[in-house]
Amino acid sequence: GNSVTQMEGPVTLSEEAFLTINCTYTATGYPSLFWYVQYPGEGLQLLLKATKADDKGSNKGFEATYRKETTSFHLEKGSVQVSDSAVYFCALIAPPWAGSYQLTFGKGTKLSVIP
Amino acid sequence: NAGVTQTPKFQVLKTGQSMTLQCAQDMNHEYMSWYRQDPGMGLRLIHYSVGAGITDQGEVPNGYNVSRSTTEDFPLRLLSAAPSQTSVYFCASSYATGGERSYTFGSGTRLTVV
Repeated sequence: GNSVTQMEGPVTLSEEAFLTINCTYTATGYPSLFWYVQYPGEGLQLLLKATKADDKGSNKGFEATYRKETTSFHLEKGSVQVSDSAVYFCALIAPPWAGSYQLTFGKGTKLSVIP
Repeated sequence: NAGVTQTPKFQVLKTGQSMTLQCAQDMNHEYMSWYRQDPGMGLRLIHYSVGAGITDQGEVPNGYNVSRSTTEDFPLRLLSAAPSQTSVYFCASSYATGGERSYTFGSGTRLTVV
């Protein structure tokens, strides 16, 4: 079955530091890949997505590139802010031909950014 | 544009009680689903629906029922609450076809069973 593995947290960074959160996946074919963010006390918000190999998703200074050869979708940001403190989830959906609509999530990585 | 609306936001139940968590969306999404979020477990799929009148089980369906009588609504019923069902519950919806299969989530229901 499909699965997503992301780096364990929590991750604590100083403001303006570089962020990488690793995410690798197991799936048949070319799934769509997502990063969701959950701020304290809130639901999940779509941060960025990529639907085919070599696509780069980007939003709010965050980027992730769909790497089919390494089955990875690592999240990066060049300079984090205190307001980026949240839990980040990597997720995938199987390709449309697979007939599955289920989002498969990693376990989440909690990021804390200190001033 | 309300998106996905969940009610209530908080609930405390006694063991054995039943209740219904409500979920409504106004985006005409075919696909709706319920997840539970537990510390260190990520989000796990409980039940899902690909359209009115169609439901199916996810990864952790035991102790929960769903129905989909309209496109807009997808309530989750706890039949006899147990402490193991203490969790945060999220409803999500999406288009089921085409390339725009990115989900919109509700703000969650925090349930405590004592």
